[in-house]
Amino acid sequence: DTEVTQTPKHLVMGMTNKKSLKCEQHMGHRAMYWYKQKAKKPPELMFVYSYEKLSINESVPSRFSPECPNSSLLNLHLHALQPEDSALYLCASSQLSGVLTFYEQYFGPGTRLTVT
Amino acid sequence: AQRVTQPEKLLSVFKGAPVELKCNYSYSGSPELFWYVQYSRQRLQLLLRHISRESIKGFTADLNKGETSFHLKKPFAQEEDSAMYYCALSGRGATNKLIFGTGTLLAVQP
Repeated sequence: DTEVTQTPKHLVMGMTNKKSLKCEQHMGHRAMYWYKQKAKKPPELMFVYSYEKLSINESVPSRFSPECPNSSLLNLHLHALQPEDSALYLCASSQLSGVLTFYEQYFGPGTRLTVT
Repeated sequence: AQRVTQPEKLLSVFKGAPVELKCNYSYSGSPELFWYVQYSRQRLQLLLRHISRESIKGFTADLNKGETSFHLKKPFAQEEDSAMYYCALSGRGATNKLIFGTGTLLAVQP
Protein backbone atom coordinates (compact mmCIF):
# COMPACT_ATOMS: atom_id res chain seq x y z
CA ASP A 1 0.00 0.00 0.00
CA THR A 2 1.68 3.19 -1.19
CA GLU A 3 -1.09 5.67 -0.54
CA VAL A 4 -2.04 8.14 2.12
CA THR A 5 -5.77 8.07 2.76
CA GLN A 6 -7.85 10.82 4.35
CA THR A 7 -11.40 10.85 5.67
CA PRO A 8 -13.80 12.44 5.22
CA LYS A 9 -13.43 13.86 1.70
CA HIS A 10 -15.73 16.75 2.52
CA LEU A 11 -16.79 18.23 5.84
CA VAL A 12 -19.18 21.05 6.64
CA MET A 13 -19.25 22.21 10.24
CA GLY A 14 -20.61 25.05 12.29
CA MET A 15 -18.46 27.29 14.40
CA THR A 16 -19.57 25.55 17.59
CA ASN A 17 -19.04 22.01 16.37
CA LYS A 18 -16.27 19.57 17.22
CA LYS A 19 -15.06 17.35 14.42
CA SER A 20 -11.97 15.34 13.51
CA LEU A 21 -10.03 14.72 10.32
CA LYS A 22 -8.31 11.39 9.90
CA CYS A 23 -5.24 10.34 7.97
CA GLU A 24 -3.76 6.88 7.53
CA GLN A 25 -0.68 5.39 5.87
CA HIS A 26 0.78 1.90 5.80
CA MET A 27 4.15 2.62 4.22
CA GLY A 28 6.05 2.43 7.48
CA HIS A 29 6.74 6.16 7.43
CA ARG A 30 7.65 7.67 10.80
CA ALA A 31 7.04 11.31 9.86
CA MET A 32 3.54 12.65 9.27
CA TYR A 33 2.34 16.14 8.43
CA TRP A 34 -0.72 18.36 8.30
CA TYR A 35 -0.91 21.13 5.72
CA LYS A 36 -3.58 23.73 5.03
CA GLN A 37 -4.23 24.79 1.44
CA LYS A 38 -6.46 27.72 0.51
CA ALA A 39 -7.82 28.01 -3.00
CA LYS A 40 -5.15 28.80 -5.61
CA LYS A 41 -2.47 28.94 -2.88
CA PRO A 42 0.37 26.57 -2.00
CA PRO A 43 0.14 24.19 0.95
CA GLU A 44 1.15 25.72 4.27
CA LEU A 45 2.70 23.48 6.89
CA MET A 46 0.77 23.24 10.15
CA PHE A 47 2.26 20.33 12.14
CA VAL A 48 4.95 17.68 11.86
CA TYR A 49 5.06 14.45 13.84
CA SER A 50 8.25 12.39 14.12
CA TYR A 51 8.06 8.99 15.80
CA GLU A 52 4.53 9.85 16.94
CA LYS A 53 5.75 12.96 18.75
CA LEU A 54 4.94 16.53 17.75
CA SER A 55 8.16 18.05 16.41
CA ILE A 56 6.92 21.16 14.61
CA ASN A 57 3.93 23.41 15.34
CA GLU A 58 3.89 26.35 12.96
CA SER A 59 2.14 28.63 15.47
CA VAL A 60 -1.22 27.11 14.64
CA PRO A 61 -4.21 28.36 16.72
CA SER A 62 -5.25 26.02 19.53
CA ARG A 63 -8.63 25.38 17.89
CA PHE A 64 -6.64 22.91 15.78
CA SER A 65 -5.39 19.99 17.88
CA PRO A 66 -3.29 17.25 16.26
CA GLU A 67 -2.96 13.74 17.56
CA CYS A 68 -0.83 10.80 16.46
CA PRO A 69 -2.20 7.69 18.22
CA ASN A 70 0.19 5.33 16.42
CA SER A 71 2.71 5.25 13.60
CA SER A 72 0.01 4.78 10.93
CA LEU A 73 -2.62 7.27 12.05
CA LEU A 74 -2.79 11.02 12.30
CA ASN A 75 -5.81 12.99 13.46
CA LEU A 76 -6.64 16.67 13.43
CA HIS A 77 -9.27 17.66 16.00
CA LEU A 78 -11.24 20.77 15.20
CA HIS A 79 -13.15 22.93 17.68
CA ALA A 80 -14.66 26.39 17.51
CA LEU A 81 -13.37 27.06 14.02
CA GLN A 82 -13.87 30.28 12.11
CA PRO A 83 -15.14 30.67 8.52
CA GLU A 84 -11.63 31.69 7.45
CA ASP A 85 -10.46 28.20 8.43
CA SER A 86 -12.33 26.82 5.43
CA ALA A 87 -9.70 25.18 3.22
CA LEU A 88 -8.34 21.90 1.90
CA TYR A 89 -6.48 20.07 4.66
CA LEU A 90 -3.73 17.81 3.39
CA CYS A 91 -2.01 15.01 5.21
CA ALA A 92 1.40 13.73 4.14
CA SER A 93 3.91 11.16 5.29
CA SER A 94 7.55 10.37 4.67
CA GLN A 95 10.51 8.48 5.96
CA LEU A 96 12.42 10.50 8.50
CA SER A 97 14.97 12.81 6.95
CA GLY A 98 18.53 13.05 8.14
CA VAL A 99 21.31 15.56 7.94
CA LEU A 100 22.30 14.50 4.43
CA THR A 101 19.01 13.28 3.03
CA PHE A 102 15.47 14.43 2.59
CA TYR A 103 12.82 11.88 1.75
CA GLU A 104 9.84 12.49 -0.51
CA GLN A 105 6.58 13.43 1.16
CA TYR A 106 3.55 11.46 -0.02
CA PHE A 107 0.33 13.44 0.07
CA GLY A 108 -3.22 12.36 0.66
CA PRO A 109 -6.13 13.67 -1.43
CA GLY A 110 -7.20 16.08 1.28
CA THR A 111 -10.35 16.92 3.22
CA ARG A 112 -12.33 19.88 1.91
CA LEU A 113 -13.50 21.71 5.04
CA THR A 114 -16.21 24.36 5.04
CA VAL A 115 -16.94 26.26 8.25
CA THR A 116 -20.34 27.95 8.32
CA ALA B 1 14.92 33.80 5.40
CA GLN B 2 13.85 30.72 3.49
CA ARG B 3 11.74 31.59 0.49
CA VAL B 4 10.72 30.13 -2.86
CA THR B 5 9.60 32.44 -5.65
CA GLN B 6 7.68 31.43 -8.74
CA PRO B 7 7.13 34.65 -10.70
CA GLU B 8 4.50 33.34 -13.12
CA LYS B 9 1.00 32.52 -11.86
CA LEU B 10 -0.02 31.24 -15.29
CA LEU B 11 1.98 29.97 -18.23
CA SER B 12 0.10 29.21 -21.42
CA VAL B 13 1.83 27.44 -24.31
CA PHE B 14 0.83 25.49 -27.39
CA LYS B 15 1.31 21.75 -27.68
CA GLY B 16 4.81 20.98 -28.92
CA ALA B 17 6.28 24.26 -27.68
CA PRO B 18 9.11 24.35 -25.14
CA VAL B 19 8.21 25.01 -21.53
CA GLU B 20 10.19 26.68 -18.76
CA LEU B 21 8.68 27.20 -15.32
CA LYS B 22 10.82 29.53 -13.26
CA CYS B 23 11.78 29.03 -9.64
CA ASN B 24 14.16 31.08 -7.52
CA TYR B 25 14.98 30.41 -3.92
CA SER B 26 16.50 32.08 -0.91
CA TYR B 27 18.30 29.93 1.63
CA SER B 28 21.42 30.49 3.68
CA GLY B 29 22.69 26.91 3.58
CA SER B 30 22.60 24.06 1.08
CA PRO B 31 18.95 23.26 0.34
CA GLU B 32 17.20 20.42 -1.37
CA LEU B 33 14.93 21.55 -4.20
CA PHE B 34 11.86 19.79 -5.55
CA TRP B 35 9.15 20.19 -8.12
CA TYR B 36 5.68 18.96 -7.12
CA VAL B 37 2.75 18.71 -9.54
CA GLN B 38 -1.00 18.75 -8.91
CA TYR B 39 -3.14 17.58 -11.82
CA SER B 40 -6.83 18.46 -11.82
CA ARG B 41 -8.71 16.47 -9.16
CA GLN B 42 -5.56 14.55 -8.19
CA ARG B 43 -3.32 14.65 -5.19
CA LEU B 44 -0.08 16.58 -4.96
CA GLN B 45 2.82 14.40 -6.11
CA LEU B 46 6.56 14.71 -6.47
CA LEU B 47 7.69 15.32 -10.05
CA LEU B 48 11.44 15.47 -9.51
CA ARG B 49 14.16 16.52 -7.10
CA HIS B 50 17.51 18.06 -7.87
CA ILE B 51 19.61 15.49 -6.07
CA SER B 52 18.37 12.59 -8.22
CA ARG B 53 19.05 14.41 -11.51
CA GLU B 54 16.33 12.35 -13.19
CA SER B 55 14.11 13.22 -16.12
CA ILE B 56 10.47 12.52 -15.34
CA LYS B 57 7.78 12.73 -18.04
CA GLY B 58 10.34 14.61 -20.15
CA PHE B 59 10.86 17.31 -17.51
CA THR B 60 14.29 18.27 -16.20
CA ALA B 61 15.47 20.82 -13.69
CA ASP B 62 18.99 21.97 -12.95
CA LEU B 63 20.03 23.57 -9.71
CA ASN B 64 21.99 26.77 -10.35
CA LYS B 65 23.50 27.79 -7.04
CA GLY B 66 25.00 30.98 -8.46
CA GLU B 67 21.63 32.26 -9.62
CA THR B 68 19.76 30.42 -6.82
CA SER B 69 17.40 28.99 -9.41
CA PHE B 70 15.79 25.63 -10.11
CA HIS B 71 13.83 26.14 -13.32
CA LEU B 72 11.71 23.31 -14.71
CA LYS B 73 12.04 22.62 -18.42
CA LYS B 74 10.50 20.43 -21.07
CA PRO B 75 11.39 20.67 -24.76
CA PHE B 76 7.96 19.75 -26.16
CA ALA B 77 4.82 20.36 -24.08
CA GLN B 78 1.93 17.90 -24.14
CA GLU B 79 -1.71 18.63 -23.29
CA GLU B 80 -1.52 16.18 -20.39
CA ASP B 81 1.18 18.39 -18.82
CA SER B 82 -1.50 20.94 -17.93
CA ALA B 83 -1.44 21.19 -14.13
CA MET B 84 -0.34 23.31 -11.18
CA TYR B 85 3.39 23.11 -10.56
CA TYR B 86 4.96 23.96 -7.22
CA CYS B 87 8.64 24.47 -6.58
CA ALA B 88 9.60 23.54 -3.02
CA LEU B 89 12.61 23.77 -0.76
CA SER B 90 13.83 21.95 2.30
CA GLY B 91 16.85 22.67 4.39
CA ARG B 92 19.09 19.75 5.25
CA GLY B 93 18.55 18.27 8.66
CA ALA B 94 15.85 16.47 10.51
CA THR B 95 13.19 19.16 10.54
CA ASN B 96 11.27 17.63 7.59
CA LYS B 97 10.00 21.08 6.73
CA LEU B 98 8.99 21.73 3.12
CA ILE B 99 8.46 25.30 1.90
CA PHE B 100 6.42 25.75 -1.26
CA GLY B 101 6.46 28.51 -3.86
CA THR B 102 3.18 30.11 -4.89
CA GLY B 103 2.80 27.80 -7.87
CA THR B 104 2.51 28.18 -11.64
CA LEU B 105 -0.50 26.95 -13.54
CA LEU B 106 0.65 25.47 -16.83
CA ALA B 107 -1.98 25.41 -19.57
CA VAL B 108 -1.03 23.57 -22.75
CA GLN B 109 -3.29 24.51 -25.64
CA PRO B 110 -3.98 22.05 -28.48
